[in-house]
Order: sequence, then C-alpha cells, then structure tokens
Amino acid sequence: GENVEQHPSTLSVQEGDSAVIKCTYSDSASNYFPWYKQELGKRPQLIIDIRSNVGEKKDQRIAVTLNKTAKHFSLHITETQPEDSAVYFCAFTSGTYKYIFGTGTRLKVLA
Amino acid sequence: DVKVTQSSRYLVKRTGEKVFLECVQDMDHENMFWYRQDPGLGLRLIYFSYDVKMKEKGDIPEGYSVSREKKERFSLILESASTNQTSMYLCASSLFPSVDEKLFFGSGTQLSVL
Repeated sequence: GENVEQHPSTLSVQEGDSAVIKCTYSDSASNYFPWYKQELGKRPQLIIDIRSNVGEKKDQRIAVTLNKTAKHFSLHITETQPEDSAVYFCAFTSGTYKYIFGTGTRLKVLA
Repeated sequence: DVKVTQSSRYLVKRTGEKVFLECVQDMDHENMFWYRQDPGLGLRLIYFSYDVKMKEKGDIPEGYSVSREKKERFSLILESASTNQTSMYLCASSLFPSVDEKLFFGSGTQLSVL
C-alpha cells in the first residue's frame, strides 16, 4: 500500500547548525508534498509544501527539495534555533483527499 | 483564522463504553478528517468526509464510525471502546475537495480507555 518512510526518527543539533529530514514515498502519481510541525502539546501546523512541478522551495530558514525520479523529498532547516525543537511530519497525497503521513522526526536544538 | 475545535482535550472511558468525539470547524470547509496519533506511528487516517452525510474509510477504520449531519461538524464514534484505542485523536479540515489543500488541525483529544 501507500507509505512514506521518514528518517531519522530523532535528531539533535547544536543551535546554529543545520538539520535535514528525509522522506521516501511510494506513490509515483503523487504531486503534493507538505511538511507539518508539531510543538509539544500543540496541533500540527503546515510549515512548507511543494508541488511536483517544482524542485525546491524556500521560506526564510526552511527549504524543501523534491526528487520525483528517486521519490525523495527533504526538509532543510538552517541556522537552527531552540524554537525549532518539535516533531516534524512529512506527508504526500495519494489519490483523492488522502494524506499519507510519515512517522515523524523529533528535532532537538541544543542551546 | 480557521478554527477547528475538538470538544474534549482529555477523556477517560471504560472498556465497552460508547464514546463520541466531536469536532467543529468554523470556515465552511468541505473536507473533514479524523486521525489517530501514536508514538512512532505518525498520523493514521481513520475516516474522512468530503460532504455532508458523505464518508470514506481511511487506513484504520475498524472499531470506529463517523457522522456528518452538518457541514461544520464531524463526529468520531467508538462503538465499544477497547484499551487499544487509547490514543491521541486529531480532527482536521480543508477547504476544497482537492488533494492540494492545507490541513487545519484541532488541538487533539487524548483518550484513555481503562
């Protein structure tokens, strides 16, 4: 069935360093790839998304890259700050209405 | 700003009880979803609805049912709660019946079944 593998499951970085989270998806027909951030005790919120006709998208310190041939997409966070500490979920859309989420990456930014 | 409200933040029920989780959105969204979130398993889709009285099974519908009598309200029903349904339940909504739309999540209901 449809699935997405997300790695790593936990990631610790020093403040100011970069963090990269990678996802590999199964459905080659998928064309929408969002990333959600969930802070402790809070709801998941969309932080960035990318569509299949674009290879890279940036929003300040956050960027997402997509390699459709390899079915990979990655989240890049530069100059990490303590407030970046959270669980990050990748997702892709499969068919109509259906979002398939990764298992999450717990990012800890060490001051 | 879109508001998705879940009626309870924490809920404790006994095995065998019928449980209702309520979700209301205030932005006239077409689509509504119920997910459960478990450590190491991410968010798994239970049911979704793309219109009033319409529903579709997600990946893990067993033991659950849903009701959407009004556009703004989507209820998740545990017919006979079991301990393996102890979990965080998240409701979400999106605007158009299209897969390329942002999901807005509620704050979640942490359900414990004893």
